Amino acid sequence: KAGVTQTPRYLIKTRGQQVTLSCSPISGHRSVSWYQQTPGQGLQFLFEYFSETQRNKGNFPGRFSGRQFSNSRSEMNVSTLELGDSALYLCASSLGAGGGALSEQYFGPGTRLTVT
Amino acid sequence: GQSLEQPSEVTAVEGAIVQINCTYQTSGFYGLSWYQQHDGGAPTFLSYNALDGLEETGRFSSFLSRSDSYGYLLLQELQMKDSASYFCAVRVSGYSTLTFGKGTMLLVSP
Repeated sequence: KAGVTQTPRYLIKTRGQQVTLSCSPISGHRSVSWYQQTPGQGLQFLFEYFSETQRNKGNFPGRFSGRQFSNSRSEMNVSTLELGDSALYLCASSLGAGGGALSEQYFGPGTRLTVT
Repeated sequence: GQSLEQPSEVTAVEGAIVQINCTYQTSGFYGLSWYQQHDGGAPTFLSYNALDGLEETGRFSSFLSRSDSYGYLLLQELQMKDSASYFCAVRVSGYSTLTFGKGTMLLVSP
């Protein structure tokens, strides 16, 4: 079974631009979560989607948004990019969306975003 | 809010046993997970404890004590390829959302 895929793998953008990142979950997984990883802050939760609905959202400004499609694929968008948005953006999928073992998350390779 | 504490770095030699501790403070608790991340790679799921006790998966074991808000990851027969960052993470709600610790960098030397 193929793992979580993310595109693009690397991206360089300029301050003020916007960016869209894409994530395809493992086949059959209906929950997709997004995380931002930086050396200073570590892994921080952005949002979680299940069946096209945002179930949970982390403490990030409104410039960060996302959505999930009917085939469970997900996109996240960052508008008006800032230098501090430079990070590795990780997508994770899970079979379930509750609190049990079925909710264990499997991560994709990430998109490395550099804002100049 | 939630907070997790784990050592920033641990060093060991090949063949040894190492334990990485994790203490947490959360407003709710649905389980403790451990992830491994090699430099530049994706976090890889290692183990999950929802109940007190020890879970064993090959060379790796994970322990949880809910009353002490404490868990650890035990790595046995260390190999050079085990050099990586290890993260503990808690699930504090009925969602899949994980709150991660800052990570422990494990350096295995010959």
